[in-house]
Amino acid sequence: TQLLEQSPQFLSIQEGENLTVYCNSSSVFSSLQWYRQEPGEGPVLLVTVVTGGEVKKLKRLTFQFGDARKDSSLHITAAQPGDTGLYLCAGHTNAGKSTFGDGTTLTVKP
Amino acid sequence: SAVISQKPSRDICQRGTSLTIQCQVDSQVTMMFWYRQQPGQSLTLIATANQGSEATYESGFVIDKFPISRPNLTFSTLTVSNLSPEDSSIYLCSVGGGTAQPQHFGDGTRLSIL
Repeated sequence: TQLLEQSPQFLSIQEGENLTVYCNSSSVFSSLQWYRQEPGEGPVLLVTVVTGGEVKKLKRLTFQFGDARKDSSLHITAAQPGDTGLYLCAGHTNAGKSTFGDGTTLTVKP
Repeated sequence: SAVISQKPSRDICQRGTSLTIQCQVDSQVTMMFWYRQQPGQSLTLIATANQGSEATYESGFVIDKFPISRPNLTFSTLTVSNLSPEDSSIYLCSVGGGTAQPQHFGDGTRLSIL
């Protein structure tokens, strides 16, 4: 079983602060995705990373895929209340299945 | 990206009854998945719905409890049978996945058992 450990599980910060969420595994993934989920909705894709060492930026969000494709991080700069939600990483294998991380619940207080 | 309609969005059911959840996609897709999620927690894969054959269940999930239909490439249903309080959860269908391919999710069905 491939496990993805996500940390921290809960994060509560003030608007304007920076934060980093980590996603770690002992397994190698062919790709990894980050999703954000808001209450009453399904997860929505933020980014897909495929290449080891890859860095992608989406406005104030920076995503990095580890060189060995076993880990990833999500960094948010100057967090805003609209960033509040559940963040999930998901590793994909060539078999077509996704393994989801434990999730990080982020609360950004105004 | 695929648009997924999931119904019902929520329901409250009596113990011992069953609930069938529908998932309709706006395009033909090969892979459809059913997940269970406790609020604020991660997703647990129940099964992969295969078109034209029996669903593939993950460890801990059985067909008698979670029968799945997949009559065509755009539609699937998940039934949660003989409901008990432990079945209270959010159930999500999704499509896609695979190398570098994102999954798209329905908005989920929030199920509560009285």
